Amino acid sequence: SQTIHQWPATLVQPVGSPLSLECTVEGTSNPNLYWYRQAAGRGLQLLFYSVGIGQISSEVPQNLSASRPQDRQFILSSKKLLLSDSGFYLCAWSVREGRAELFFGEGSRLTVL
Amino acid sequence: GQQLNQSPQSMFIQEGEDVSMNCTSSSIFNTWLWYKQDPGEGPVLLIALYKAGELTSNGRLTAQFGITRKDSFLNISASIPSDVGIYFCAGRGAGKSTFGDGTTLTVKP
Repeated sequence: SQTIHQWPATLVQPVGSPLSLECTVEGTSNPNLYWYRQAAGRGLQLLFYSVGIGQISSEVPQNLSASRPQDRQFILSSKKLLLSDSGFYLCAWSVREGRAELFFGEGSRLTVL
Repeated sequence: GQQLNQSPQSMFIQEGEDVSMNCTSSSIFNTWLWYKQDPGEGPVLLIALYKAGELTSNGRLTAQFGITRKDSFLNISASIPSDVGIYFCAGRGAGKSTFGDGTTLTVKP
């Protein structure tokens, strides 16, 4: 069966520090991968998606970047965090073709102080 | 971009009551999905709808894909305490999923 894991689960970082959130998927090949951000009391905002190694599409201009160094690994990064980067970050995967279902990781809560 | 209006924003109900929530859009979607999110966790898929007019059940949950392809509803029958959480609709079109802002459900025993 397929599983998705992301870490760390919780992170408290000072303004201006770097960020790296990692996500890995197991039990499937060639998945589409996604990073979403969820602000408190709001829905999910798509930040990045990837259809393959090294292929990253950005949905909104921001202080963050994403990379996909391996087929089942997706990394969310920042060189210098802003207060507005605080939120709940969710990694998700879907099959490459046809189906619309997203399968989410456990989430990473980032607090920037 | 595409936007979804999900309502109600929150609901407070007694255990055993039925629940109904819906999403509407000005855009047409090819797929409607409903997710549930427990506190501090990622959303979990409840129901996926692929055809206009489709009515699908998953236990006590029933969802429908509107005929116009611009709306969907989710019903929960005979609510229980573990139904608490945030319910999200998502519409998929042009290869992208758009999420509603969620309906927060509280069930009082």
